[in-house]
Amino acid sequence: KQEVTQIPAALSVPEGENLVLNCSFTDSAIYNLQWFRQDPGKGLTSLLLIQSSQREQTSGRLNASLDKSSGRSTLYIAASQPGDSATYLCAVDHENNRKLIWGLGTSLAVNP
Amino acid sequence: GAVVSQHPSRVICKSGTSVKIECRSLDFQATTMFWYRQFPKQSLMLMATSNEGSKATYEQGVEKDKFLINHASLTLSTLTVTSAHPEDSSFYICSAAIRRETQYFGPGTRLLVL
Repeated sequence: KQEVTQIPAALSVPEGENLVLNCSFTDSAIYNLQWFRQDPGKGLTSLLLIQSSQREQTSGRLNASLDKSSGRSTLYIAASQPGDSATYLCAVDHENNRKLIWGLGTSLAVNP
Repeated sequence: GAVVSQHPSRVICKSGTSVKIECRSLDFQATTMFWYRQFPKQSLMLMATSNEGSKATYEQGVEKDKFLINHASLTLSTLTVTSAHPEDSSFYICSAAIRRETQYFGPGTRLLVL
């Protein structure tokens, strides 16, 4: 059974810091992995999608890496800003049934 | 980009009543729509997958007679929580997909059953 774990559960940093969020999954048979952002009481915004054959994806200040064999992904946020404060969710699309399995998220607070 | 809307954004109802939540893809035709539920401090859980014109596929543990899903067109899916009870209070999120690789998520509906 695929399980997704995100560490840390919460993170508070001063503005301007570079930071890394971690996601691990137990079954390496994935189709892709996605990182999402969720603002309080709101829906999800897709940030980055990494196909199983890819190693990383970049969008602006965000960089996501994928090591499928070790079951790990990291989301790197450069020069963090208060507007980055949100919950970041990792989800894997399990190869066999192609449905998303979600982590609990990392709650990020970037302080001015 | 692809936009998905949900209505209502928030609903409060009495125990025993039924609540309908709409999910619309505004600028694209979605062959597949997904319904998720998120309880506080828990991860999103897929409830069901629906394809236009066919019956929804429910995940294990989700009662199909309680959570009625109708995917009537390529731009609209509805979730009806029948005879709602306080334990059904949750955040319900839908997503719509053109291809399975990309799901576009709605803003969510917060349901509170008194």
